[in-house]
Amino acid sequence: SQWGEENLQALSIQEGEDVTMNCSYKTYTTVVHWYRQDSGRGPALIILIRSNEREKRSGRLRATLDTSSQSSSLSITAAQCEDTAVYFCATDGTGGYKVVFGSGTRLLVSP
Amino acid sequence: GGIITQTPKFLIGQEGQKLTLKCQQNFNHDTMYWYRQDSGKGLRLIYYSITENDLQKGDLSEGYDASREKKSSFSLTVTSAQKNEMAVFLCASSPAGGDSGNTLYFGEGSRLIVV
Repeated sequence: SQWGEENLQALSIQEGEDVTMNCSYKTYTTVVHWYRQDSGRGPALIILIRSNEREKRSGRLRATLDTSSQSSSLSITAAQCEDTAVYFCATDGTGGYKVVFGSGTRLLVSP
Repeated sequence: GGIITQTPKFLIGQEGQKLTLKCQQNFNHDTMYWYRQDSGKGLRLIYYSITENDLQKGDLSEGYDASREKKSSFSLTVTSAQKNEMAVFLCASSPAGGDSGNTLYFGEGSRLIVV
């Protein structure tokens, strides 16, 4: 099936827990973007990691990238209820214009 | 800052009807995109446009046409609406290029309902 055609993965955690979401991509990319989509809204970029970086941090977010296995992960430390959203990774090949999204994870953080 | 405006927010049409969604951006971005998002699923690329008057097919272009007559606008036409096409259609723009890759800025989406 195409990337994006699959059902969202679902993760449910308690507030204060750490969580990691994974993404495998099929073609070489120079950058992996992670987007967050709140209910009824369009996705918004939260962190990006370049092919020459293995790890990138932004606040409670941590992205990793393993170009040899073509995989990336997004971790959230001490999740809060407001982190409840759908999270996607996206790639754009060798800096081209065609941006494709991964299958996505629906994260629910409960108090 | 800028904004992506998608119209209409809800589009109701009959099976077999040709329906058009519109998207405007005031970021002055060169590149624009249309994605389809089915309920509970991810985003699939329908069409994108690198610059004014350019059109590139995505992975889901069959059954759709697109038009980029101005830099600021990108429209998508469903050529013959089917009930299995009910979904949210998301428009995005990107400044493209650079070492940050193609960061996309999205609109709020247009929901297609086929009766």
